[in-house]
Amino acid sequence: QKEVEQDPGPLSVPEGAIVSLNCTYSNSAFQYFMWYRQYSRKGPELLMYTYSSGNKEDGRFTAQVDKSSKYISLFIRDSQPSDSATYLCAMSFGNEKLTFGTGTRLTIIP
Amino acid sequence: DGGITQSPKYLFRKEGQNVTLSCEQNLNHDAMYWYRQDPGQGLRLIYYSQIVNDFQKGDIAEGYSVSREKKESFPLTVTSAQKNPTAFYLCASSNAGNDETQYFGPGTRLLVL
Repeated sequence: QKEVEQDPGPLSVPEGAIVSLNCTYSNSAFQYFMWYRQYSRKGPELLMYTYSSGNKEDGRFTAQVDKSSKYISLFIRDSQPSDSATYLCAMSFGNEKLTFGTGTRLTIIP
Repeated sequence: DGGITQSPKYLFRKEGQNVTLSCEQNLNHDAMYWYRQDPGQGLRLIYYSQIVNDFQKGDIAEGYSVSREKKESFPLTVTSAQKNPTAFYLCASSNAGNDETQYFGPGTRLLVL
Protein backbone atom coordinates (compact mmCIF):
# COMPACT_ATOMS: atom_id res chain seq x y z
CA GLN A 1 0.00 0.00 0.00
CA LYS A 2 1.32 3.44 -0.94
CA GLU A 3 1.70 6.00 1.83
CA VAL A 4 -0.34 8.51 -0.17
CA GLU A 5 -3.14 7.48 -2.52
CA GLN A 6 -4.55 9.79 -5.17
CA ASP A 7 -6.97 8.91 -7.97
CA PRO A 8 -5.08 9.59 -11.23
CA GLY A 9 -8.24 10.44 -13.16
CA PRO A 10 -8.55 11.74 -15.77
CA LEU A 11 -11.33 13.96 -14.48
CA SER A 12 -13.35 16.12 -16.88
CA VAL A 13 -15.88 18.70 -15.72
CA PRO A 14 -17.76 21.55 -17.44
CA GLU A 15 -16.64 25.13 -16.95
CA GLY A 16 -18.14 26.72 -13.87
CA ALA A 17 -18.53 23.45 -11.96
CA ILE A 18 -17.13 22.78 -8.50
CA VAL A 19 -14.19 20.37 -8.62
CA SER A 20 -13.27 18.07 -5.74
CA LEU A 21 -9.81 16.47 -5.65
CA ASN A 22 -8.83 14.08 -2.89
CA CYS A 23 -5.94 12.19 -1.31
CA THR A 24 -5.86 9.62 1.45
CA TYR A 25 -2.84 8.68 3.49
CA SER A 26 -1.90 5.85 5.79
CA ASN A 27 0.61 7.40 8.22
CA SER A 28 -0.98 9.54 10.92
CA ALA A 29 2.41 11.19 11.58
CA PHE A 30 1.99 13.45 8.54
CA GLN A 31 1.55 17.00 9.81
CA TYR A 32 1.91 19.34 6.83
CA PHE A 33 -0.21 19.17 3.69
CA MET A 34 0.20 20.84 0.33
CA TRP A 35 -1.47 20.99 -3.06
CA TYR A 36 0.54 21.68 -6.20
CA ARG A 37 -0.69 22.42 -9.72
CA GLN A 38 1.39 21.21 -12.65
CA TYR A 39 0.78 22.24 -16.23
CA SER A 40 1.99 19.91 -18.95
CA ARG A 41 5.80 19.82 -19.22
CA LYS A 42 6.21 22.42 -16.47
CA GLY A 43 7.34 22.33 -12.85
CA PRO A 44 4.73 22.07 -10.08
CA GLU A 45 3.61 25.34 -8.48
CA LEU A 46 2.41 25.57 -4.90
CA LEU A 47 -1.33 26.27 -4.56
CA MET A 48 -2.17 25.64 -0.93
CA TYR A 49 -0.34 24.82 2.29
CA THR A 50 -2.06 23.73 5.50
CA TYR A 51 -0.88 22.49 8.85
CA SER A 52 -3.90 21.63 10.93
CA SER A 53 -7.25 19.97 10.40
CA GLY A 54 -9.95 22.22 9.00
CA ASN A 55 -10.42 24.41 5.97
CA LYS A 56 -8.21 27.03 4.34
CA GLU A 57 -9.52 29.26 1.59
CA ASP A 58 -7.65 31.25 -1.06
CA GLY A 59 -9.80 32.78 -3.77
CA ARG A 60 -11.54 30.01 -5.68
CA PHE A 61 -9.51 27.31 -3.91
CA THR A 62 -10.30 25.63 -0.58
CA ALA A 63 -8.05 23.05 1.05
CA GLN A 64 -9.58 20.73 3.62
CA VAL A 65 -7.73 18.43 6.00
CA ASP A 66 -9.36 15.72 8.11
CA LYS A 67 -6.60 14.13 10.18
CA SER A 68 -8.96 11.74 11.96
CA SER A 69 -9.92 10.19 8.61
CA LYS A 70 -6.46 10.71 7.05
CA TYR A 71 -8.08 12.48 4.12
CA ILE A 72 -7.34 15.77 2.39
CA SER A 73 -9.28 17.58 -0.32
CA LEU A 74 -8.91 20.49 -2.68
CA PHE A 75 -12.06 22.23 -3.93
CA ILE A 76 -12.06 24.54 -6.94
CA ARG A 77 -15.10 26.79 -7.32
CA ASP A 78 -16.22 28.35 -10.61
CA SER A 79 -13.72 26.19 -12.51
CA GLN A 80 -12.05 27.74 -15.55
CA PRO A 81 -10.35 26.19 -18.59
CA SER A 82 -7.08 27.59 -17.22
CA ASP A 83 -7.50 25.23 -14.24
CA SER A 84 -6.87 22.29 -16.56
CA ALA A 85 -3.70 20.70 -15.18
CA THR A 86 -2.45 17.85 -13.02
CA TYR A 87 -2.97 18.40 -9.30
CA LEU A 88 -0.52 16.81 -6.87
CA CYS A 89 -1.07 16.42 -3.16
CA ALA A 90 2.02 16.32 -0.94
CA MET A 91 2.59 15.87 2.76
CA SER A 92 5.41 15.95 5.28
CA PHE A 93 6.29 14.68 8.76
CA GLY A 94 8.10 17.94 9.44
CA ASN A 95 11.47 16.58 8.35
CA GLU A 96 11.62 18.75 5.22
CA LYS A 97 10.96 15.76 2.95
CA LEU A 98 7.71 15.57 1.00
CA THR A 99 5.73 12.49 0.00
CA PHE A 100 3.67 13.05 -3.13
CA GLY A 101 0.53 11.50 -4.52
CA THR A 102 0.64 10.38 -8.14
CA GLY A 103 -1.43 13.36 -9.30
CA THR A 104 -4.94 13.79 -10.75
CA ARG A 105 -5.25 15.04 -14.32
CA LEU A 106 -8.09 17.56 -14.55
CA THR A 107 -9.69 18.96 -17.71
CA ILE A 108 -12.22 21.81 -17.61
CA ILE A 109 -14.45 21.73 -20.67
CA PRO A 110 -15.50 25.18 -22.01
CA ASP B 1 13.47 37.90 -10.52
CA GLY B 2 13.73 35.32 -7.76
CA GLY B 3 13.36 31.68 -8.61
CA ILE B 4 14.82 28.36 -9.62
CA THR B 5 16.34 27.75 -13.02
CA GLN B 6 17.10 24.41 -14.61
CA SER B 7 19.07 23.75 -17.75
CA PRO B 8 18.91 22.43 -20.30
CA LYS B 9 15.20 22.08 -20.98
CA TYR B 10 15.85 18.92 -23.04
CA LEU B 11 18.86 16.62 -22.80
CA PHE B 12 19.81 13.60 -24.85
CA ARG B 13 22.04 10.86 -23.50
CA LYS B 14 23.91 8.19 -25.42
CA GLU B 15 24.58 4.72 -24.04
CA GLY B 16 27.38 4.72 -21.48
CA GLN B 17 27.44 8.49 -21.18
CA ASN B 18 27.24 10.57 -18.00
CA VAL B 19 25.19 13.75 -18.23
CA THR B 20 24.82 16.63 -15.78
CA LEU B 21 21.63 18.60 -15.13
CA SER B 22 21.99 22.10 -13.76
CA CYS B 23 19.89 23.65 -10.98
CA GLU B 24 20.40 27.19 -9.67
CA GLN B 25 18.32 29.18 -7.16
CA ASN B 26 18.51 32.79 -6.03
CA LEU B 27 15.92 32.46 -3.25
CA ASN B 28 18.62 32.13 -0.58
CA HIS B 29 17.13 28.78 0.39
CA ASP B 30 19.22 26.38 2.44
CA ALA B 31 17.70 23.12 1.21
CA MET B 32 17.63 21.79 -2.34
CA TYR B 33 16.12 18.62 -3.81
CA TRP B 34 16.14 16.52 -6.96
CA TYR B 35 13.08 14.52 -8.05
CA ARG B 36 12.34 12.23 -10.91
CA GLN B 37 8.83 12.18 -12.40
CA ASP B 38 7.55 9.26 -14.48
CA PRO B 39 4.00 8.87 -15.80
CA GLY B 40 1.68 7.40 -13.18
CA GLN B 41 4.34 7.37 -10.44
CA GLY B 42 4.34 10.89 -9.08
CA LEU B 43 7.54 12.53 -7.87
CA ARG B 44 10.28 10.38 -6.39
CA LEU B 45 13.16 11.86 -4.39
CA ILE B 46 16.65 11.21 -5.75
CA TYR B 47 18.91 13.32 -3.51
CA TYR B 48 18.54 16.26 -1.17
CA SER B 49 20.83 18.71 0.54
CA GLN B 50 20.01 20.75 3.61
CA ILE B 51 23.28 22.64 3.77
CA VAL B 52 26.34 23.35 1.64
CA ASN B 53 28.84 20.47 1.35
CA ASP B 54 26.31 17.97 2.69
CA PHE B 55 23.69 15.83 0.94
CA GLN B 56 21.67 12.66 1.53
CA LYS B 57 20.29 9.91 -0.65
CA GLY B 58 16.60 9.87 -1.34
CA ASP B 59 14.46 6.91 -2.30
CA ILE B 60 16.00 6.25 -5.73
CA ALA B 61 19.64 7.45 -5.57
CA GLU B 62 21.22 4.52 -7.43
CA GLY B 63 22.80 5.64 -10.70
CA TYR B 64 22.84 9.32 -9.73
CA SER B 65 25.34 11.64 -8.04
CA VAL B 66 25.19 15.22 -6.77
CA SER B 67 27.38 17.96 -5.33
CA ARG B 68 26.61 21.03 -3.24
CA GLU B 69 29.63 23.30 -3.33
CA LYS B 70 27.61 26.53 -3.34
CA LYS B 71 24.35 27.41 -1.62
CA GLU B 72 22.69 28.41 -4.87
CA SER B 73 23.72 25.41 -6.98
CA PHE B 74 22.86 21.69 -6.82
CA PRO B 75 23.84 19.84 -10.03
CA LEU B 76 22.69 16.28 -10.68
CA THR B 77 24.75 13.80 -12.69
CA VAL B 78 22.96 10.88 -14.30
CA THR B 79 25.62 8.21 -14.63
CA SER B 80 25.86 5.30 -17.05
CA ALA B 81 24.85 3.06 -14.14
CA GLN B 82 21.30 4.43 -14.35
CA LYS B 83 19.77 1.98 -16.81
CA ASN B 84 16.42 3.70 -17.26
CA PRO B 85 17.17 7.44 -17.20
CA THR B 86 14.36 8.65 -19.46
CA ALA B 87 12.21 10.88 -17.25
CA PHE B 88 11.32 14.45 -16.30
CA TYR B 89 13.76 15.75 -13.66
CA LEU B 90 12.66 18.44 -11.23
CA CYS B 91 14.78 20.50 -8.88
CA ALA B 92 13.25 22.18 -5.83
CA SER B 93 14.35 24.32 -2.93
CA SER B 94 12.97 25.24 0.48
CA ASN B 95 13.71 27.56 3.35
CA ALA B 96 14.80 24.86 5.79
CA GLY B 97 13.49 25.31 9.29
CA ASN B 98 10.79 27.76 8.22
CA ASP B 99 8.03 25.65 6.72
CA GLU B 100 7.77 22.51 4.68
CA THR B 101 6.90 24.08 1.33
CA GLN B 102 9.15 23.42 -1.64
CA TYR B 103 9.41 25.53 -4.78
CA PHE B 104 10.14 23.89 -8.10
CA GLY B 105 12.10 24.73 -11.20
CA PRO B 106 10.74 24.25 -14.74
CA GLY B 107 12.28 20.78 -15.17
CA THR B 108 14.63 19.01 -17.57
CA ARG B 109 13.42 16.23 -19.84
CA LEU B 110 16.09 13.58 -20.34
CA LEU B 111 15.84 11.25 -23.32
CA VAL B 112 18.05 8.33 -24.28
CA LEU B 113 19.30 8.05 -27.87
